[in-house]
Amino acid sequence: NAGVTQTPKFQVLKTGQSMTLQCAQDMNHNSMYWYRQDPGMGLRLIYYSASEGTTDKGEVPNGYNVSRLNKREFSLRLESAAPSQTSVYFCASSDGPPSGANVLTFGAGSRLTVL
Amino acid sequence: AQKITQTQPGMFVQEKEAVTLDCTYDTSDQSYGLFWYKQPSSGEMIFLIYQGSYDEQNATEGRYSLNFQKARKSANLVISASQLGDSAMYFCAMRNGSARQLTFGSGTQLTVLP
Repeated sequence: NAGVTQTPKFQVLKTGQSMTLQCAQDMNHNSMYWYRQDPGMGLRLIYYSASEGTTDKGEVPNGYNVSRLNKREFSLRLESAAPSQTSVYFCASSDGPPSGANVLTFGAGSRLTVL
Repeated sequence: AQKITQTQPGMFVQEKEAVTLDCTYDTSDQSYGLFWYKQPSSGEMIFLIYQGSYDEQNATEGRYSLNFQKARKSANLVISASQLGDSAMYFCAMRNGSARQLTFGSGTQLTVLP
């Protein structure tokens, strides 16, 4: 009963380092998302993928890249980390397209600190 | 554009009492959906309840109900008979018609007192 699994749960980087956050879902969902959560700002969408092979920018895509590796997996890459990217990152998935009443199921989050 | 406002950064409620968490939204679309999520201290986001703009009845899910007032553009979450386990951050979110993006408010931290 895993749902959405994110790795790693915690990561500390130095400015300029790169890293990839991994996300996998076992619910056969079509759509997947990456959000970041900052204090006092709720969650903001970074990128999403409405189906395997497609990705689209969200509200705050700058500094990030994504890959929808297959239906199950959606990774988020920071090529050159900056302190402004210190945040908690959430991966989510939904059964239908990212519209209407489709409910997002979230992972447990990944806390990233950039020094 | 869509915007969600949660004006209560923190709320306290006595165990077994009811509490209302406020949410107002701004959209020019006629078709939209409103969601509430709970985030306990462990960090995961848990879906609670959904209300569509064309739904005539207020949504209910167990102890959760949504007080939907379309003319006022408000979608308040009502939790009845609060329990200690209800202590968490609560987020209101909205998606316009065909919009891809689910937009979240800044959240309300609810503390249930014994």
